[in-house]
Amino acid sequence: GDSVTQTEGQVTVSESKSLIINCTYSATSIAYPNLFWYVRYPGEGLQLLLKVITAGQKGSSRGFEATYNKETTSFHLQKASVQESDSAVYYCALSDRGNTRKLIFGLGTTLQVQP
Amino acid sequence: DMKVTQMPRYLIKRMGENVLLECGQDMSHETMYWYRQDPGLGLQLIYISYDVDSNSEGDIPKGYRVSRKKREHFSLILDSAKTNQTSVYFCASSHTGIEQYFGPGTRLTVL
Repeated sequence: GDSVTQTEGQVTVSESKSLIINCTYSATSIAYPNLFWYVRYPGEGLQLLLKVITAGQKGSSRGFEATYNKETTSFHLQKASVQESDSAVYYCALSDRGNTRKLIFGLGTTLQVQP
Repeated sequence: DMKVTQMPRYLIKRMGENVLLECGQDMSHETMYWYRQDPGLGLQLIYISYDVDSNSEGDIPKGYRVSRKKREHFSLILDSAKTNQTSVYFCASSHTGIEQYFGPGTRLTVL
């Protein structure tokens, strides 16, 4: 089936250091998946951080970047220099472009940025 | 300002009671969703609504039903709640089917 894997449940990084959160996907029933990163700050709902709908393209927002790599089926999230305000839960997700309009989420990675 | 609202934000019920969770959106989105999130399981899709009175089961619909009588409102109903329905419930809406906008969640505890 279709799935998203985030290998790290929790990541702790010192402020101003670089960050990478891993995401790989399996899209056996979806020919051209859309890929997303959502973020949930404490006390808030999920909000879209970035999306990429074309393989080979890179999405970016708020200093975060992710590249849609169809060969390695990966969509890792990166940031060169994190801030304490980036502390949140990050979810990788994929969707199809068909009528179902379903999002399939990874389990989420909790990022804690230490001052 | 595009917004998805959920009411109530916190709810405690006893096993066997009925539960009504409400969701609203002000973007005239056709598609709306209900998810639940449990530790270690991520977000799981309960129901999708493609428009008024056009609802479809998601991945875990058992024990739930939904109602959509107006485009801007989508309700999740638990008839005779069970303790294993204790969870955080998220509503979302979408126009394109690509980007979903989420509400802040409702934390439901069933005792």
